[in-house]
Amino acid sequence: KQEVTQIPAALSVPEGENLVLNCSFTDSAIYNLQWFRQDPGKGLTSLLLIQSSQREQTSGRLNASLDKSSGRSTLYIAASQPGDSATYLCAVIAWTGNQFYFGTGTSLTVIP
Amino acid sequence: EAQVTQNPRYLITVTGKKLTVTCSQNMNHEYMSWYRQDPGLGLRQIYYSMNVEVTDKGDVPEGYKVSRKEKRNFPLILESPSPNQTSLYFCASSFRHYTEAFFGQGTRLTVV
Repeated sequence: KQEVTQIPAALSVPEGENLVLNCSFTDSAIYNLQWFRQDPGKGLTSLLLIQSSQREQTSGRLNASLDKSSGRSTLYIAASQPGDSATYLCAVIAWTGNQFYFGTGTSLTVIP
Repeated sequence: EAQVTQNPRYLITVTGKKLTVTCSQNMNHEYMSWYRQDPGLGLRQIYYSMNVEVTDKGDVPEGYKVSRKEKRNFPLILESPSPNQTSLYFCASSFRHYTEAFFGQGTRLTVV
């Protein structure tokens, strides 16, 4: 069974700092990996989707990479802002069973 | 506006009283799924549906039922709720299982 891990569980940084969030998964047989953002009391918002054949995706200040062979993905946030404060979740969808597996998330606080 | 709508947003009920949480999407998506989110456990998939009349169990299906009679709707049914089903529930949809996922705002369920 696929297991997805995110480290660290919580992160606090000063505004303007560049930061990296980590996601690891145990089974490389995946369709894709998605990064989501979750604000308190709200649903999840998709940030980036990387297909299994891709190495990275970029959207604005966000860059996500995928190394399927080692079971790792990173989300890079450039020039962090207080509005980036949220919980960031990664999820993979497995080849077998078409199921989603989520990590437990990294809670990010950007201090003004 | 493209969206996934869940109702109700908050629900308190008593043990054993059947309830239904509705989920509707207006994006003509084929893939729909339900998750529960619990502290320390993250999001876990309950059921998913690849298309109309096709449903499959996720990781934690016990105590839940679903149906997919129409493409846009995917209700979650708790026939006899128990306190261990107290959780935050999310519905999600995507065009295909490997494309970007869109989440509803969540339903906070308390079973007493």
